[in-house]
Amino acid sequence: ETGVTQSPTHLIKTRGQQVTLRCSSQSGHNTVSWYQQALGQGPQFIFQYYREEENGRGNFPPRFSGLQFPNYSSELNVNALELDDSALYLCASSTRDLGYGYTFGSGTRLTVV
Amino acid sequence: KQEVTQIPAALSVPEGENLVLNCSFTDSAIYNLQWFRQDPGKGLTSLLLIQSSQREQTSGRLNASLDKSSGRSTLYIAASQPGDSATYLCAVCTGGGNKLTFGTGTQLKVEL
Repeated sequence: ETGVTQSPTHLIKTRGQQVTLRCSSQSGHNTVSWYQQALGQGPQFIFQYYREEENGRGNFPPRFSGLQFPNYSSELNVNALELDDSALYLCASSTRDLGYGYTFGSGTRLTVV
Repeated sequence: KQEVTQIPAALSVPEGENLVLNCSFTDSAIYNLQWFRQDPGKGLTSLLLIQSSQREQTSGRLNASLDKSSGRSTLYIAASQPGDSATYLCAVCTGGGNKLTFGTGTQLKVEL
């Protein structure tokens, strides 16, 4: 069984640009969540997708948006990048059948300059 | 608003020592609690998952307990090894399973 895979692993963008991060969920998982982790902090919940619909959102502005595809993979899009968006972005997948035990990917390190 | 606190923030122990990491949360209406390990600059590795109806879970040298009524969980690591050096994160799941709230972690260093 494959785990959660994220791409790219590292990314450098300029302030004001747009970025798309990608995530493939673990086989059998139908729920995908995205988290932002700043240096030295715990991950912060951005949003979750279940069956291609947004199913909960944290305190992030609308320029953070997402998609989930029929194969349960997902994208995180961030528009109008700001310096404070520099962080490790983590994708996690789960399913109700497994009691919502979350499996995380290795993350995408985004640097905004 | 759910808040998760982990104590201590950092811990340094000699190899072979048994140790306890603490996690507390403010809202007892949780779905489950999960302990993760994070190596520097890496993603999260799930260690143990405790459902709200359970009291503890064990995996190898790791044992996690949950006292939902008091809003506390502990992670016990037996016979610590240098390879256990990492940051340990506690996360509670709320909202019917759709959100994890994390603590800021305990940075563990096991010295030879």
